Amino acid sequence: GDSVTQMEGPVTLSEEAFLTINCTYTATGYPSLFWYVQYPGEGLQLLLKATKADDKGSNKGFEATYRKETTSFHLEKGSVQVSDSAVYFCALSEGPGSGNTGKLIFGQGTTLQVKP
Amino acid sequence: DAGVTQSPTHLIKTRGQHVTLRCSPISGHKSVSWYQQVLGQGPQFIFQYYEKEERGRGNFPDRFSARQFPNYSSELNVNALLLGDSALYLCASSPGQYNSPLHFGNGTRLTVT
Repeated sequence: GDSVTQMEGPVTLSEEAFLTINCTYTATGYPSLFWYVQYPGEGLQLLLKATKADDKGSNKGFEATYRKETTSFHLEKGSVQVSDSAVYFCALSEGPGSGNTGKLIFGQGTTLQVKP
Repeated sequence: DAGVTQSPTHLIKTRGQHVTLRCSPISGHKSVSWYQQVLGQGPQFIFQYYEKEERGRGNFPDRFSARQFPNYSSELNVNALLLGDSALYLCASSPGQYNSPLHFGNGTRLTVT
């Protein structure tokens, strides 16, 4: 079945460092791809999304490009802040074409710790 | 506008008991999905309801059931609780059934002792 694999954490960076969190996926159809962020004690918030190959999603300085040839959707940010400390989840939605429900399949999450 | 609201926020139950979790979607959203998030893992899909009908079910036993009401709010029921049911249960709503970004509530933390 479809699946999402993320790099293991925690990832610990100093403020203003460059961030990359790797995400690869396996899917039989043409999924949409998402990054969600979860702050302590809260639910998940949509960070960005891409719905087709070569699309770039971006929000709050974060970016990710849908790479069909490498089945990847890596999250990047040029300069992280302490406030970016959270758990980041990569996810895919199988979409209507395969006759499914459009449910999200999540990776296991990557914890980011940014130190001042 | 109010986001997705879930109740209760925390719950402690004993093995074998039954639990009901509640979710109110964002106004205008017709789809509600339920996810289970075990500590340290990503959320796992349990159910999706759209227009008051079950549209998808994850790999969970029949002890798990849900329903959606005419006002699009939803309940998740779990019978015969096991220790392994301890988790954060997340509800998410979206306007449509497919590919609409999900808006998550803050979850209900269920502890089974």
